[in-house]
Amino acid sequence: SQKIEQNSEALNIQEGKTATLTCNYTNYSPAYLQWYRQDPGRGPVFLLLIRENEKEKRKERLKVTFDTTLKQSLFHITASQPADSATYLCALALDTGRRALTFGSGTRLQVQP
Amino acid sequence: ETGVTQTPRHLVMGMTNKKSLKCEQHLGHNAMYWYKQSAKKPLELMFVYSLEERVENNSVPSRFSPECPNSSHLFLHLHTLQPEDSALYLCASSQDLAGVLYTDTQYFGPGTRLTVL
Repeated sequence: SQKIEQNSEALNIQEGKTATLTCNYTNYSPAYLQWYRQDPGRGPVFLLLIRENEKEKRKERLKVTFDTTLKQSLFHITASQPADSATYLCALALDTGRRALTFGSGTRLQVQP
Repeated sequence: ETGVTQTPRHLVMGMTNKKSLKCEQHLGHNAMYWYKQSAKKPLELMFVYSLEERVENNSVPSRFSPECPNSSHLFLHLHTLQPEDSALYLCASSQDLAGVLYTDTQYFGPGTRLTVL
């Protein structure tokens, strides 16, 4: 079956370090992949989109990679800050005719001061 | 603010009540969505509308009834809910459905926290 996996364990890192979050998928051929940030009790907020023909995308302190051979995307936050603490979701656009994104369960990031 | 508003933000209802959730988007988008988010679970897509036409109903029980009177407004009518329906209900919009010209980057509202007693 088709599946999106994100590490359900919270990621705790020290302020100033680089946080790396993983999104793995199986049996998909996504045209693109998106990353969202969600704070407790709030709706997700779009961060970055990377297409299947792009290897890497950057936005300020954020970097996303997309390896369609490994079926994996990595999401990096450099020089992390306590304000980066949130849950980060990856989402895929499937090529199966389904008319909406499929979201992973998210990874909670906690940046310690 | 994302340009998507939802009311009410919190709702407590009994299993025999009828209530409605409202969503409004001020972005000029053509597609709108309802999602359910329960604790420790991924976002679950419920309904998708494109230009006021429902294009997906993701096997949602009939006690949830969506309505899209125009491309800016989306409602979710609730009746005879169960305690397991307690969750955060999120509305989202996108420029269009995913296709050649557009991605379906979602703009979410703040959600309605629903508690069914």
